[in-house]
Amino acid sequence: GESVGLHLPTLSVQEGDNSIINCAYSNSASDYFIWYKQESGKGPQFIIDIRSNMDKRQGQRVTVLLNKTVKHLSLQIAATQPGDSAVYFCAENTWGNQFYFGTGTSLTVIP
Amino acid sequence: EAQVTQNPRYLITVTGKKLTVTCSQNMNHEYMSWYRQDPGLGLRQIYYSMNVEVTDKGDVPEGYKVSRKEKRNFPLILESPSPNQTSLYFCASSLRASATSPYEQYFGPGTRLTVT
Repeated sequence: GESVGLHLPTLSVQEGDNSIINCAYSNSASDYFIWYKQESGKGPQFIIDIRSNMDKRQGQRVTVLLNKTVKHLSLQIAATQPGDSAVYFCAENTWGNQFYFGTGTSLTVIP
Repeated sequence: EAQVTQNPRYLITVTGKKLTVTCSQNMNHEYMSWYRQDPGLGLRQIYYSMNVEVTDKGDVPEGYKVSRKEKRNFPLILESPSPNQTSLYFCASSLRASATSPYEQYFGPGTRLTVT
């Protein structure tokens, strides 16, 4: 199967700072990537996505960067807030509708 | 309210006793999927369905069955549960996926299953 991994299992940031969460993927044929946020006791929630023909996509306070050369994906959260504390997952999709998720990074925002 | 519902939310059962976890969505989504979430392993896809009567295996289908007789429902069936199927299960749905539309999946609240 696919291998989608995260560099760091936990990340702590000060409120107001920017957060960067990284993700590595192994299948160079993957053409679609998604970031999800999962709060305690809830299901994952879509944050932002990007297709392989792009290298950057911005949303509200979030930016996803895709580096296909090194098969690396990152999620940047600007001005991190306490409500951003959660586990963040990246997921990839290759030529169809099967998804492979990473193991997650736990983000803690320190007030 | 647009949502994905799962029932039951919590279930404790014994090895070999057949069970069904229901999943329903009210968004007229064509794509539905089941995942299991285990510590250190993230979410792994069990089965997915592109439309009524169309289902496909995901990464970890062994020990599970699904059916898609109606667009809104996608039940997960464990014919003979075993302790290694103890996990947190999520159902998800999305609009028809295509090369130009996003695969934004809406997840249910989860079902925590314990098999003793």
